Amino acid sequence: QKEVEQNSGPLSVPEGAIASLNCTYSDRGSQSFFWYRQYSGKSPELIMSIYSNGDKEDGRFTAQLNKASQYVSLLIRDSQPSDSATYLCAVISPGKSTFGDGTTLTVKP
Amino acid sequence: EAGVAQSPRYKIIEKRQSVAFWCNPISGHATLYWYQQILGQGPKLLIQFQNNGVVDDSQLPKDRFSAERLKGVDSTLKIQPAKLEDSAVYLCASSFSVRDEQFFGPGTRLTVL
Repeated sequence: QKEVEQNSGPLSVPEGAIASLNCTYSDRGSQSFFWYRQYSGKSPELIMSIYSNGDKEDGRFTAQLNKASQYVSLLIRDSQPSDSATYLCAVISPGKSTFGDGTTLTVKP
Repeated sequence: EAGVAQSPRYKIIEKRQSVAFWCNPISGHATLYWYQQILGQGPKLLIQFQNNGVVDDSQLPKDRFSAERLKGVDSTLKIQPAKLEDSAVYLCASSFSVRDEQFFGPGTRLTVL
């Protein structure tokens, strides 16, 4: 079992729809959770950070964390073609930083 | 505020040659990371520094890879000798502390022939 698992995708949604990206992790001692967006040929770019249970909203993005279920998700509302990218989940535990393999999202006009 | 700087951006070498990558983190960031990203996969942590001390190097192939962080600022990652499977993008990231957001440099794309 991988330490951080994401839906393998690819995920395709129409423009204007909600895209839902999921991530599960195995280390119960994990403290920090991040979502990154990575365009092809580019380096990861931070979208959201979340540290405590619940929801955190930033514009069209909402991150959700449930530590009991070891689950973190990212919702993208009103998806735009420019949101088409690979989304990486990162989980930080004491002395360790682990990324998932990403979910590729395509938003179709 | 300047971002994370890396050089070179691209490198092509023959197998068994050596190569070195350089990273300059965001000013004031105590934590520095080196990742290897193979096409289609997420970044894999090679080594994490807190100031100039190593926090985690459990996934660093120590028989061929080495890294150092001079005076707790710049860092170099070296591969000697390189293998075909080392072809990847090498990403450097930094954060204010171990719990904080990591910011990535542009990466170095290594091709080993």
